[in-house]
Amino acid sequence: KQEVTQIPAALSVPEGENLVLNCSFTDSAIYNLQWFRQDPGKGLTSLLLIQSSQREQTSGRLNASLDKSSGRSTLYIAASQPGDSATYLCAGEAELIFGQGTTLQVKP
Amino acid sequence: EPEVTQTPSHQVTQMGQEVILRCVPISNHLYFYWYRQILGQKVEFLVSFYNNEISEKSEIFDDQFSVERPDGSNFTLKIRSTKLEDSAMYFCASRDSDSLYGYTFGSGTRLTVV
Repeated sequence: KQEVTQIPAALSVPEGENLVLNCSFTDSAIYNLQWFRQDPGKGLTSLLLIQSSQREQTSGRLNASLDKSSGRSTLYIAASQPGDSATYLCAGEAELIFGQGTTLQVKP
Repeated sequence: EPEVTQTPSHQVTQMGQEVILRCVPISNHLYFYWYRQILGQKVEFLVSFYNNEISEKSEIFDDQFSVERPDGSNFTLKIRSTKLEDSAMYFCASRDSDSLYGYTFGSGTRLTVV
């Protein structure tokens, strides 16, 4: 049974810092991996999708990598801004199994 | 940009009552899902639906739950006799057949059972 773990559970950084969020999964037969953002009390906004055959994806200040052999994915956020404050979730297919999230606070 | 639409955004119901949560997936998507998130906890998979039948379901999805695609656009989750512990945010999601863009989630229905 696939299990997804995210470290750290919470992170507080000053504005402008570069940061890395970690996601690990137990079953290397994972298909795709998707990163989401969730604001308090809100839905899930897709940030990046890394398909099975890919190793990384980039969108603006975000870069996500996937290493299936080690069971890890990372989300890199460059030059963090207060608007980046949210909970970041990773989830692996099939049937999207979620980690518990990393709650990020970026202080101005 | 195509969206998954969920209604209502918030539903309050008495324990033991039936509730139906509604979703309109993206029109050309073929795979549909329900997830739930109890306050402060992980997002949990409930059920996946493809070709008018359930393809996978979790242990949470017991006989109290059912899903239906009553027409070409709607996808519903029914809880027959709600319990206090069913209080959660329920998310609908859909994806295309090749998962080119991953899963798209709706904004959720907050269900409160009193």
